[in-house]
Amino acid sequence: QSVLTQPPSASGTPGQRVTISCSGSSSDIGSNTVNWYQLLPGTAPKLLIHRNNQRPSGVPDRFSGSKSGTSASLAISGLQSEDEADYYCAAWDDSLNGPRVFGTGTKVTVL
Amino acid sequence: QLQLQESGPGLVKPSETLSLTCSVSGGSIAINNYFWVWIRQPPGKELEWIGSISYSGTTYYNPSLKSRVTMSVDTSKNQFSLKLDSVTDADTAVYYCARKPSNPCLDYWGQGTLVTVSS
Repeated sequence: QSVLTQPPSASGTPGQRVTISCSGSSSDIGSNTVNWYQLLPGTAPKLLIHRNNQRPSGVPDRFSGSKSGTSASLAISGLQSEDEADYYCAAWDDSLNGPRVFGTGTKVTVL
Repeated sequence: QLQLQESGPGLVKPSETLSLTCSVSGGSIAINNYFWVWIRQPPGKELEWIGSISYSGTTYYNPSLKSRVTMSVDTSKNQFSLKLDSVTDADTAVYYCARKPSNPCLDYWGQGTLVTVSS
C-alpha cells in the first residue's frame, strides 16, 4: 500500500506562513479528493480541510488547502503557538467510503 | 456536539483477537449515507484506514487487512465495533474510530486508544 509523501517537519515563528506539501500519484491524489487532519497528542484528530480546499465550520481561515495534479498542499498563515501539531493529508476513495491512503505526516513547530 | 469514544483491552496476546467498541453520543449512528470508520496508527508510522461500516451493516475493508477484520454495528446501543483476528506485534497501534458524513471526509474522531500486542 503506497503512502503520500510529506516533509517530516516544518517550522516558523508566530505570524509567519508555513506550507506543507503532499505528493501522491494519479491513482490517489490525482483522481480523488484530499483532506487534511491535525493531530495533537491525547486529543481527537481534527478535520481541517475537506474536498481539497473546503474548511469545515469552526476552522480558522488561517488554514487553506489546494490541489494540483498529483500534489496537494496545506498553508497555515499567521502561525500561532496552538498550531504546533502533526498534520496529515489523506486521499479519499469513494469506492471504499474511506481514505485510500494517508500522508507520512508533518510535525509543525512554532519557534 | 457529537462525541466518539473507543473502548477495549489495552493489551492483547499474539495470535488472539483484538476487540474494540466505539460509543457514539450526541447524535444517532443510524443516518443514511453516513459511514463509521476505524483508523489506526502504529508507533512512529502513518495513519492507516482499517474499514468503514454503515448503520445497516454494509462494510468496506482495507484489502491488506480484509482477511482478519470484522466490523459490526449495534444501533440499539449507538455503537460500532472492530474485531481483528490473529494479531501480531505489527498490530500494536493507537486505534481511532471516526465518522464519515455525506461529504468524503472524516469529520469527527475519537481520542484514540492504544492497543499493545505482547505476550
